[in-house]
Amino acid sequence: QVQLQESGPGLVKPSETLSLTCSVSGDSVTRYYWSWIRQPPGKGLEWVGYMYYGGSSNYNPSLESRLSMSVDTSKNQFSLRLTSVTAADTAIYYCATFFGGNIYGYFDYWGQGTVVTVSS
Amino acid sequence: QSVLTQPPSASGTPGQRITVSCSGSSSNIGSNTVHWYQQLPGTAPKLLMYSTNQRPSGVPDRFSGSKSGTSASLAISGLQSEDEADYYCAAWDDSLNAQVFGTGTKVTVL
Repeated sequence: QVQLQESGPGLVKPSETLSLTCSVSGDSVTRYYWSWIRQPPGKGLEWVGYMYYGGSSNYNPSLESRLSMSVDTSKNQFSLRLTSVTAADTAIYYCATFFGGNIYGYFDYWGQGTVVTVSS
Repeated sequence: QSVLTQPPSASGTPGQRITVSCSGSSSNIGSNTVHWYQQLPGTAPKLLMYSTNQRPSGVPDRFSGSKSGTSASLAISGLQSEDEADYYCAAWDDSLNAQVFGTGTKVTVL
């Protein structure tokens, strides 16, 4: 069974860039679509985006202008990069596998999440 | 953006049956399948139901899902204390071109 572990800086300054990594074990990063979901403190879930190692991707339109994702097959990891962060980007960030495509797709394996706070 | 609306809370006594509703529109629930996630306190969400009424391996058959028009429901039969959690519905939205989540429902076992 695939296992996911997020990592990254817990604190990021406003206007700077947030970079997170999701390390994959138990399977190859080439086998799945990969997604990020975030959850602001005390609030609900928000889909950030997903991508496939071959390059196809789909980002939340509300974040698209600031967002990029990548897959590193040599390290079996995938990553998120969010530029020009504000306090509104403070959240728990989860990585997850995304199975089934847009219309039918769902998140079946999740990491435990990593807390990111945007503050000076 | 939460375009799927859920009641903030639901509750029941052990053994009771409760339902959690999820209201959407023609661009999401009305045209695509619905999925449900369970988030136990302090933990990551877990897939509970996919493609409206399919249970992943390991999910008890006390949980069931249904959809009608632009609304979906999650039913929990034989409610147990370990079912206390937040529950989120989700679906693809064709207009937003995004995966959208419901507002979440906190289930309490009295």
